Amino acid sequence: GAGVSQSPSNKVTEKGKDVELRCDPISGHTALYWYRQSLGQGLEFLIYFQGNSAPDKSGLPSDRFSAERTGGSVSTLTIQRTQQEDSAVYLCASSRRTSGGTDTQYFGPGTRLTVL
Amino acid sequence: AQSVAQPEDQVNVAEGNPLTVKCTYSVSGNPYLFWYVQYPNRGLQFLLKYITGDNLVKGSYGFEAEFNKSQTSFHLKKPSALVSDSALYFCAVRDTVYGNNRLAFGKGNQVVVIP
Repeated sequence: GAGVSQSPSNKVTEKGKDVELRCDPISGHTALYWYRQSLGQGLEFLIYFQGNSAPDKSGLPSDRFSAERTGGSVSTLTIQRTQQEDSAVYLCASSRRTSGGTDTQYFGPGTRLTVL
Repeated sequence: AQSVAQPEDQVNVAEGNPLTVKCTYSVSGNPYLFWYVQYPNRGLQFLLKYITGDNLVKGSYGFEAEFNKSQTSFHLKKPSALVSDSALYFCAVRDTVYGNNRLAFGKGNQVVVIP
């Protein structure tokens, strides 16, 4: 079946511009995660959505970052007034929601963001 | 917080030789451990996980991992490495502190399989 998809695959923007990154999770997966992969910080958690519950935004690095998930499916990560330190690969993952947290997260191919 | 450590930056192995990628963990409560592989310009691909049960876990592409509670380790192994196994490998643990199933990743190990 179809995996997690993300768009665009690459995004180059100028400092100060806003960007939107999109994630389509695997059909039937109720949990959705955003992570960021950068050379200096490795893989770090950003935000988590589970069904209709309020998202866990505890990993967002600043108030320039926000995310939403419409209809329990597609998610958009928005970065306002981008800075050069935002340059990274943004990875989306989804999983079935099972009790105890044993479910596997499946990752998309990522969006490589470059801020000039 | 829960964490994993991958002590080696790069692992070099000759094709056909056994491959081991090391991971140690630090958790409170039951450890839920994962291995992922990342090929160049690709996302993370799931290899295997340990939740409970047998300490030896078998996964995709001939990989397996051994959970060792006394040594707090979860090393990834493959009996005979292929050149196509050259990639970046990540160990991860479910971070139970926040109760949201987020994963805490190690820094990753670059594996180079030499023909």
